[in-house]
Amino acid sequence: DGGITQSPKYLFRKEGQNVTLSCEQNLNHDAMYWYRQDPGQGLRLIYYSQIVNDFQKGDIAEGYSVSREKKESFPLTVTSAQKNPTAFYLCASSIPHQGARGRAQHFGDGTRLSIL
Amino acid sequence: DQQVKQNSPSLSVQEGRISILNCDYTNSMFDYFLWYKKYPAEGPTFLISISSIKDKNEDGRFTVFLNKSAKHLSLHIVPSQPGDSAVYFCAASEDAGGTSYGKLTFGQGTILTVHP
Repeated sequence: DGGITQSPKYLFRKEGQNVTLSCEQNLNHDAMYWYRQDPGQGLRLIYYSQIVNDFQKGDIAEGYSVSREKKESFPLTVTSAQKNPTAFYLCASSIPHQGARGRAQHFGDGTRLSIL
Repeated sequence: DQQVKQNSPSLSVQEGRISILNCDYTNSMFDYFLWYKKYPAEGPTFLISISSIKDKNEDGRFTVFLNKSAKHLSLHIVPSQPGDSAVYFCAASEDAGGTSYGKLTFGQGTILTVHP
């Protein structure tokens, strides 16, 4: 079954620590995305990548970093510079933009990050 | 600056009746709109979409209406079922070339509760 796997489901971080959230997809999608969801708010884009070895900042990239060394993988690192990291993090992917159907993004089940 | 707004945080409907979820947008460059459904602790699931060249798209019990002049879209669910209880997000996309490839802007979400 094709899909997007995010791990771990729950993650705890101590003050001053960097943590990395995993996102793996076997959908053969070129584009991948990271979003953050806070209570009562919509999803906000952190970073996105259209192709291997390339990525772009989204609307709230400060305090985060990513890499895209493989098509299947797009890990997100929450650095100690992110002052309010407690949130629900969602990874998504999409097929190359081929008209309307290419716009839909497929999501993983998320990772909830909390500060100890 | 919230470009996509869902002004109703919650909606309660009786089973069998119609659910109408609303969404407003401000960016006239948006040309594709999507609705996602999200259960707690899971990622959003794509539900239905509409291109700006249409004013209606139907898929089973779900219909999306787009009023471009009012910059307003709505999702109709008929008949509503208890399993439809979830958070519904509208999202918008603009085709501005490579710099905004696949980027979605999400509303804050509306919690739909369908009572048996």
